[in-house]
Amino acid sequence: AQTVTQSQPEMSVQEAETVTLSCTYDTSESNYYLFWYKQPPSRQMILVIRQEAYKQQNATENRFSVNFQKAAKSFSLKISDSQLGDTAMYFCAFRGTPGGTSYGKLTFGQGTILTVHP
Amino acid sequence: GAVVSQHPSWVICKSGTSVKIECRSLDFQATTMFWYRQFPKQSLMLMATSNEGSKATYEQGVEKDKFLINHASLTLSTLTVTSAHPEDSSFYICSARAAGGENTEAFFGQGTRLTVV
Repeated sequence: AQTVTQSQPEMSVQEAETVTLSCTYDTSESNYYLFWYKQPPSRQMILVIRQEAYKQQNATENRFSVNFQKAAKSFSLKISDSQLGDTAMYFCAFRGTPGGTSYGKLTFGQGTILTVHP
Repeated sequence: GAVVSQHPSWVICKSGTSVKIECRSLDFQATTMFWYRQFPKQSLMLMATSNEGSKATYEQGVEKDKFLINHASLTLSTLTVTSAHPEDSSFYICSARAAGGENTEAFFGQGTRLTVV
């Protein structure tokens, strides 16, 4: 079974600064997808960024980028120029591909509560 | 992105009664829907996966007779909590995914806060 671990229960950052959220995972599958989701106080789950394991290039979406280290099974999220609206709980998630035991299902980490201070 | 609507947003029910939560994909056909449960400041725990027209697959430890899932159409799945008790109070979230292979994204509903009194 796949496991996803987020070792930082809470993080805080000053507005306009950069913060990195950590995520490690464990799997025996060779191909899979990794995601970062944001859950603001409204509790609506919002996809922030995704990475396909077979792509070596790190994904980037505007101020959000990842550092994907496949051998180390690490998938951290960097938020640049933090904004007050980035305050939320962030979840790292794993999804397998067809043929794998975890195909279709998302396995979430424990979450990291990020607070952006003015 | 695609829109998934969950209804109601919140519900209060008495112990022993049943409550139904709906999850609708508004602008796409959802061949697969997922139901999650989330306690405050905790992660999402997958309860079950439902595919349109077939029985739901429940995760280990989830009582299928208590949490009835129906996915009768390509745009609607329902979760019924039967004989609810206070310990069933939680935040329930659905997500829906269209057909289209491994690259298909899953979209989340806004969640339902259930309080059993």
